[in-house]
This record gives sequence, structure tokens and C-alpha cells, in this order.
Amino acid sequence: AQSVAQPEDQVNVAEGNPLTVKCTYSVSGNPYLFWYVQYPNRGLQFLLKYITGDNLVKGSYGFEAEFNKSQTSFHLKKPSALVSDSALYFCAVRPQAAGNKLTFGGGTRVLVKP
Amino acid sequence: EPEVTQTPSHQVTQMGQEVILRCVPISNHLYFYWYRQILGQKVEFLVSFYNNEISEKSEIFDDQFSVERPDGSNFTLKIRSTKLEDSAMYFCASSTGGRGPGELFFGEGSRLTVL
Repeated sequence: AQSVAQPEDQVNVAEGNPLTVKCTYSVSGNPYLFWYVQYPNRGLQFLLKYITGDNLVKGSYGFEAEFNKSQTSFHLKKPSALVSDSALYFCAVRPQAAGNKLTFGGGTRVLVKP
Repeated sequence: EPEVTQTPSHQVTQMGQEVILRCVPISNHLYFYWYRQILGQKVEFLVSFYNNEISEKSEIFDDQFSVERPDGSNFTLKIRSTKLEDSAMYFCASSTGGRGPGELFFGEGSRLTVL
């Protein structure tokens, strides 16, 4: 069975500083990996995904994520955080080989302080 | 930009009542999903639907739950006899492919409160 771990419930960062949200996964075979963001009282918005190829994936709003197969990680990063980046971030995984179920991590709340 | 729409945005119901949550997926998408998020907890997969049948479901999706695509645009989730623990935000999603790398597009959610 696939699973996703987001070890930090909350990440606090000052505006302008780099932001990292951690994610590790477990899946049979190769994964498709995704990051979603959820603003208060809103749905999940797609940020970026890893399919294959280049381990560094660039997405919306200046976010990027690095796939590390040996560490089974897919950490989300942003070089310079904005106050408007404050939200709940979810990492998700789906195996490439079979099934269409997307499994989410528990979410990490990001708080960017001015 | 096309989007997934859900109704109602919030529904309050009494325990034991039937509830139908409605979704209009993105028009050219072929795969449809329901997820739920209990307050403060993770987003959980309920069911996926393709070609007018369930393609995968979780252990949460028991006999009290059913899904239907009654026409060419709507996708519904029915809870036959609601329980207190069904209180959650229910998200509909759609995608172009099931096993492919396509991302899911989510609606804004329907908040269900069971009293």
C-alpha cells in the first residue's frame, strides 16, 4: 500500500526567507508525485508534479520540488517566501504501474510572517 | 479556466437522513473521484469512477455510500443514512486519465455537518 509522510505539522518562516516543506513517500515501483495547496475554506489547488526525467520540478507561484529516489523524498521549496504563501500544503503519491488512487500526506501548515 | 463545481457548499442534516452531494467535473475529463477531509485531518480517498462504474474504492466507502453519473455532466455522492462521523468536507475531483500522470482537479468542497 502506498503512503506519504509529512513530518512537520507546521513550518514558520519569515517573508523573504527560503521555504521548505518536507515529504517522504512509500509506493510499489515508480511514483507519480504531486503537491497541492489549500487556502482557508477552499479546495485543493495543484502546484506541481513529478512524472519522470529531471529530478527538479518547477511549478506554480515560484514553487519547485526535488525528487530524490534514494531517499524516497519529494520536498517542496520556494527560494523567497511571501505572506500570501501561508496555507496548508499536501504531498500526494500514486504508483505509475497500477491503480488511480491518489494518496495524500497529512498536510503541513505554512505560516509566513512579515 | 475550466473548473470542478460542487453543490451544496454546506449542508446540515440529521443523523440517519440521506444526503446527495453533487459535482460537475471538467467537461473533457474521464475519471472522477470523491475524497473527504475530516476537520483537521488528512485528505482521504473514497472512490474513483470511470466509464460509468467504480474503478477503485477505499474501506471507508461502505454500503452506505454510492456514486452515480446520472447524465453527461453530473457526478453524485449519496450517503444513505448519515452518521455523526460522516461530518467532513467532501471534495470531488476529475482528471483526464486514471493511471497516467495527469493531476486531479478538485472542486471547492461540500461541507457536511451531521447532527
